Amino acid sequence: AQKITQTQPGMFVQEKEAVTLDCTYDTSDQSYGLFWYKQPSSGEMIFLIYQGSYDEQNATEGRYSLNFQKARKSANLVISASQLGDSAMYFCAMMRGFKTIFGAGTRLFVKA
Amino acid sequence: DTGVSQDPRHKITKRGQNVTFRCDPISEHNRLYWYRQTLGQGPEFLTYFQNEAQLEKSRLLSDRFSAERPKGSFSTLEIQRTEQGDSAMYLCASSSLFGAGGLETQYFGPGTRLLVL
Repeated sequence: AQKITQTQPGMFVQEKEAVTLDCTYDTSDQSYGLFWYKQPSSGEMIFLIYQGSYDEQNATEGRYSLNFQKARKSANLVISASQLGDSAMYFCAMMRGFKTIFGAGTRLFVKA
Repeated sequence: DTGVSQDPRHKITKRGQNVTFRCDPISEHNRLYWYRQTLGQGPEFLTYFQNEAQLEKSRLLSDRFSAERPKGSFSTLEIQRTEQGDSAMYLCASSSLFGAGGLETQYFGPGTRLLVL
């Protein structure tokens, strides 16, 4: 069965520092997509970054990068130069076909 | 187009009442999804439409739940005879295909928060 695991319920980071949010996944499929979403207190899920299972290079989008280690089945999100507005819930997700499953999320707190 | 919209944003109802939520996807997206998110959890898949066809329903979607997308544009999710356990955030997402392998990015609406008293 497909599964997403986020082992960090909460994380603290000092403003302007980098932080890594962990995500591991379990699947027997060869073709799948990995996503990270941000959910602020307003509730909207905001797409951050995508990594395809066949992509050889790690995805980057501005201050976000995805550390994809296929053999270890991990897809960690790295946020560089944290900002106060980065405080939110972060969800890792995996998609195969039209089905997407989400992890339980990590709440990130950015300290001034 | 400013993105996926959902209405209402908040709904409080009494147990046993029926409620209906609406989702307007991004106009060029032909795929539409409904999710339910309870406190402290990630979203859980409920159902999926491609155009007007409902192609998949989760086992989470009991007989009291029904979803439609009559013209392949907006969608409605109705819950009949609401129960306190239905209290959750109901999220809608839409998508279009990109890249190789048929993988796609879903864009979410702001959600409808339901509270059943």
